[in-house]
Amino acid sequence: DVKVTQSSRYLVKRTGEKVFLECVQDMDHENMFWYRQDPGLGLRLIYFSYDVKMKEKGDIPEGYSVSREKKERFSLILESASTNQTSMYLCASSSGGFYGYTFGSGTRLTVV
Amino acid sequence: SQKIEQNSEALNIQEGKTATLTCNYTNYSPAYLQWYRQDPGRGPVFLLLIRENEKEKRKERLKVTFDTTLKQSLFHITASQPADSATYLCALDRGSNDYKLSFGAGTTVTVRA
Repeated sequence: DVKVTQSSRYLVKRTGEKVFLECVQDMDHENMFWYRQDPGLGLRLIYFSYDVKMKEKGDIPEGYSVSREKKERFSLILESASTNQTSMYLCASSSGGFYGYTFGSGTRLTVV
Repeated sequence: SQKIEQNSEALNIQEGKTATLTCNYTNYSPAYLQWYRQDPGRGPVFLLLIRENEKEKRKERLKVTFDTTLKQSLFHITASQPADSATYLCALDRGSNDYKLSFGAGTTVTVRA
């Protein structure tokens, strides 16, 4: 069964901390994405990557960075966590334009 | 600005009936539209993709229509079951060979036994 695995289901961090969210896929997909999901706002794209070491900003990249050193792993970094980054974070991968995304189970991050 | 709107209210239906969900979009010219199911606390799960040149697509008890003139997709769950209770998201690409997905906020469906 193909999978996208996010390292943590729940995280609580303090304001100002550097936070790492890890995502690993086992489907050999080129494309990987980070979204955040907030009530009433839907999923919003933070960053995406089309290849190893390649990254591009999505719609709301401010306060975030990413790393893709290996094809299967895409990490989201909150440089200095703030309370407005409290959210559900979803990682996804896909093999191309006309294919559905495979999502991880999500990480619910609370910044206090 | 680009916008994707789904039924703003939750949908409550009786088991066995058909649930119909709406997805409307503005300022997009998508090559395709997708539907996902999301259970509480979980990531979305891909259900169906319909291309711009397809009017209708079916998968088991699911039927999706896509009207690029009306800029609307309808998602039907026929013979609904309590296990169909979930939030359903529509998503579409941004057009012009930009295949990143934009998502609607979702419609929550509750099927009563």
